[in-house]
Amino acid sequence: DTGVSQNPRHKITKRGQNVTFRCDPISEHNRLYWYRQTLGQGPEFLTYFQNEAQLEKSRLLSDRFSAERPKGSFSTLEIQRTEQGDSAMYLCASSLAQGYGELFFGEGSRLTVL
Amino acid sequence: GENVEQHPSTLSVQEGDSAVIKCTYSDSASNYFPWYKQELGKRPQLIIDIRSNVGEKKDQRIAVTLNKTAKHFSLHITETQPEDSAVYFCAASGGGGADGLTFGKGTHLIIQP
Repeated sequence: DTGVSQNPRHKITKRGQNVTFRCDPISEHNRLYWYRQTLGQGPEFLTYFQNEAQLEKSRLLSDRFSAERPKGSFSTLEIQRTEQGDSAMYLCASSLAQGYGELFFGEGSRLTVL
Repeated sequence: GENVEQHPSTLSVQEGDSAVIKCTYSDSASNYFPWYKQELGKRPQLIIDIRSNVGEKKDQRIAVTLNKTAKHFSLHITETQPEDSAVYFCAASGGGGADGLTFGKGTHLIIQP
């Protein structure tokens, strides 16, 4: 499968714990995005990278969230001191950086904070 | 920032009939408007998109129209089929240097047999 892959697919954690999600984009795509989706809502933009540079972060992204893409390939999204409100599906997407174009989404990582 | 409103939240149509989903956006500088389809438990997938220099685009049974003056765009699906049942999201991007898509809340399209 040469699509966007994410892991873990499901994560259950206790409030206050840290969690990390990984995204492997389509290999030739140099843009990588993180979105969050809750039930009945559309994906909500969190942040994006062009190669290894993090070019934009949503104002909604609290300081407990950090994302990296150290070598311009895979990316990690870490949530520190998780809260119940962090429970959501975390979607990663990638695209070619030529203006606006199709986002290819992964299947997501579902986080449940107890 | 950009704000996208989408209506209706649920749409039920008879198989073979047409379905129309409407979205409005707030940032007049936005210039790219995609539509994504998300089947239950699956990832969103692009079905059609339109850029601000075009008023209408068609792809088989699917069409999108854009009215930049009124800041709204619509998805039209003709001859609906059971496999069209899904949640559809509109989105807007561009303007102010922001590259992240802003999505609407989605429309659950139900095709009645």
